[in-house]
Amino acid sequence: AQKVTQAQTEISVVEKEDVTLDCVYETRDTTYYLFWYKQPPSGELVFLIRRNSFDEQNEISGRYSWNFQKSTSSFNFTITASQVVDSAVYFCALSDPGRDDKIIFGKGTRLHILP
Amino acid sequence: DTEVTQTPKHLVMGMTNKKSLKCEQHMGHRAMYWYKQKAKKPPELMFVYSYEKLSINESVPSRFSPECPNSSLLNLHLHALQPEDSALYLCASSHPLTGQETQYFGPGTRLLVL
Repeated sequence: AQKVTQAQTEISVVEKEDVTLDCVYETRDTTYYLFWYKQPPSGELVFLIRRNSFDEQNEISGRYSWNFQKSTSSFNFTITASQVVDSAVYFCALSDPGRDDKIIFGKGTRLHILP
Repeated sequence: DTEVTQTPKHLVMGMTNKKSLKCEQHMGHRAMYWYKQKAKKPPELMFVYSYEKLSINESVPSRFSPECPNSSLLNLHLHALQPEDSALYLCASSHPLTGQETQYFGPGTRLLVL
């Protein structure tokens, strides 16, 4: 069964600390896509990254980086030198095999960055 | 530009009211989605329109009625809702379905049913 597990329900760190959000997935497909979205208190889901299963290179975008490891079925997200504006709920998501229009969301990790 | 707009931002309605939520995008996306999100939960898919045709209805009660008048607009008509329907309603859009394209979300409508 397709599944996304974000074991960390809530994390609090002090500003400028690094923080890693974990995402573990299960899928029967060999071709699939993984996503991360950010949802600040305003409610909008902000797209952060999309990665296909054939591209295992790590990605860095400013203070954000992603570590994709197929061997452990994980797609972890690290924020370096966190800032208060990073406070949000972060969702990891997985494409639903055979359903191009559907993605499966994890339950989300609520991140608090304390000043 | 990856903007999806939604109106209204907030809506309070009684159980006998009829109201509509609106969603608009001008990115040339031909797939549009409605999601419902309860507090502290992930979004749940309700409907998908592909090329202006309803392709997915995730067993949503008939008191929710979607409409896609053209490729840029998506409506959600609400009638005889229940208090448990109070939630954040999110609209999203994506490119033609060529292999799990990224869905871009709007800011949502916060709905309260009294």
